[in-house]
Amino acid sequence: NAGVTQTPKFQVLKTGQSMTLQCAQDMNHNSMYWYRQDPGMGLRLIYYSASEGTTDKGEVPNGYNVSRLNKREFSLRLESAAPSQTSVYFCASRGWGAPEAFFGQGTRLTVV
Amino acid sequence: KNEVEQSPQNLTAQEGEFITINCSYSVGISALHWLQQHPGGGIVSLFMLSSGKKKHGRLIATINIQEKHSSLHITASHPRDSAVYICAYLTGNQFYFGTGTSLTVIP
Repeated sequence: NAGVTQTPKFQVLKTGQSMTLQCAQDMNHNSMYWYRQDPGMGLRLIYYSASEGTTDKGEVPNGYNVSRLNKREFSLRLESAAPSQTSVYFCASRGWGAPEAFFGQGTRLTVV
Repeated sequence: KNEVEQSPQNLTAQEGEFITINCSYSVGISALHWLQQHPGGGIVSLFMLSSGKKKHGRLIATINIQEKHSSLHITASHPRDSAVYICAYLTGNQFYFGTGTSLTVIP
């Protein structure tokens, strides 16, 4: 059982480049989330999707876009990467009405 | 605004020591989560508790819902316990996380 799978695990980008972080879950979960984790800041919500076809901004959405492609997949796009977006990105999912989230292994992104 | 406070932020212990990590929150909740993140690793759920105490091996989590406080205890700590421990709660469709406690256990 794969759970939540994120790709890639590591990425180095140059300022201004674009990329898409992929996330897929195989637990038939309705809600999916993208967080960034920075030292001393904890996990901060970028975007979330309560169900297929819906997305909502979180605490730090600027510079990011998301797509809930289907129930399984929720991607995060950086259109023009900036050094301030250097971070560890986590995708998570949660079942309908369930109180627990399941996290992916994270994507470690460096923007130079 | 981060509505979850953890203490301490960093903790270094000798192998075998008893460890306590604290979590306080400001709103009424139905359940609190404790999460673990090993260096360079993903985030896994350790406990979800609504009242009282839960135990899993050498880890014990307690919660006082009325006082809005939870603690995570590690008995007979081991270097493999070195990780970041995060408390969190769910309100509506969003989770709120503490900033984490970084634990290092020295052999």
